[in-house]
Amino acid sequence: GQQLNQSPQSMFIQEGEDVSMNCTSSSIFNTWLWYKQDPGEGPVLLIALYKAGELTSNGRLTAQFGITRKDSFLNISASIPSDVGIYFCAGQLYWGKLQFGAGTQVVVTP
Amino acid sequence: EPEVTQTPSHQVTQMGQEVILRCVPISNHLYFYWYRQILGQKVEFLVSFYNNEISEKSEIFDDQFSVERPDGSNFTLKIRSTKLEDSAMYFCASRALGTSGTDTQYFGPGTRLTVL
Repeated sequence: GQQLNQSPQSMFIQEGEDVSMNCTSSSIFNTWLWYKQDPGEGPVLLIALYKAGELTSNGRLTAQFGITRKDSFLNISASIPSDVGIYFCAGQLYWGKLQFGAGTQVVVTP
Repeated sequence: EPEVTQTPSHQVTQMGQEVILRCVPISNHLYFYWYRQILGQKVEFLVSFYNNEISEKSEIFDDQFSVERPDGSNFTLKIRSTKLEDSAMYFCASRALGTSGTDTQYFGPGTRLTVL
């Protein structure tokens, strides 16, 4: 099956710094999605990407669908304390199941 | 804003017992999913359901698992004889009919299943 690698595993950053994380896959996806999960909660959709090369922003978040369709990155600019959480990438082939990355734990210190 | 709801939020059961996890998907959505997340691990796909039948299932979704849409609003996951390793967060997700901008899966808050 497809292998989906997400990095880094964790990040400790100071408030105001930018954060960058990425996912790579062994084969292509049609859709890349980025979710955030707070402890004890379900994943909350941040950004959805549907086209290779697409660059999409949602407030301080920016994500891109890699041109090869095998990768995606997420940037968070000017981090704030409420950005703390686990960020998951997910790839989707056509309209089927989501395949999730292992997550990036973000810790923001004042 | 419409959301996926799940009940109960936490279920504790004895090994070997049957459990039913319930979900109410977003009302105009047609595709339904169950995922699980073992503590500290990534979210894993279990099963997808469309038009009253399973459209895809993973290796995890063996004969002990079943899904049902008993009425127009609920979507359930049944585990017939729970095992210790079934302890996890179970997430329901739903999706509208796929057209641009609407084929995203939205997740419920999850049910934490603890098998003793």
